[in-house]
Amino acid sequence: EDQVTQSPEALRLQEGESSSLNCSYTVSGLRGLFWYRQDPGKGPEFLFTLYSAGEEKEKERLKATLTKKESFLHITAPKPEDSATYLCAVQGTTDSWGKFQFGAGTQVVVTP
Amino acid sequence: DAMVIQNPRYQVTQFGKPVTLSCSQTLNHNVMYWYQQKSSQAPKLLFHYYDKDFNNEADTPDNFQSRRPNTSFCFLDIRSPGLGDAAMYLCATSSPDRGETQYFGPGTRLLVL
Repeated sequence: EDQVTQSPEALRLQEGESSSLNCSYTVSGLRGLFWYRQDPGKGPEFLFTLYSAGEEKEKERLKATLTKKESFLHITAPKPEDSATYLCAVQGTTDSWGKFQFGAGTQVVVTP
Repeated sequence: DAMVIQNPRYQVTQFGKPVTLSCSQTLNHNVMYWYQQKSSQAPKLLFHYYDKDFNNEADTPDNFQSRRPNTSFCFLDIRSPGLGDAAMYLCATSSPDRGETQYFGPGTRLLVL
């Protein structure tokens, strides 16, 4: 069965203090790894999809990278508006269509 | 803008009183999902539809049912809500043509008294 573990559970950063979030996964063949941002009381907002090891994607201060066992979400020079919970999800090639496994998320707080 | 819409945003019901949550999409995606998310936990998949083909997760309680009358709409029925069903309910859509990325609605917060 697919497993996704995110670490740390919570992260408190000073504005401008860069850091990385980790998403470790176990899946029998990766179809896709997905990063989402979720603000309190709202639905997850799509950030990135990664398909193969070595792939990287960037959006503003966020950069996602992928290896065969984990993905990192790097936050460069964060601002208070980057405060949110960041969710990682995977879908394996042997999963039935529509089956995604989510991690519990990393809650990020960026203080001015 | 194309989007996923959920109504209501907040729902208060009484223990055992049936409730229906609705989701609509203007993305014209084939697949629609219902997730349950409790505080500080990962979203838990309840059901998904590929067009009209229905799939429910093995551990989804019988108390939960779903309907998809057409491509745009999907409903989640909770027949007899218990206190443990209080959660955020998320609707999402995806399309095989878009790499299976899921697009989520804003969620419905359910409170059971």
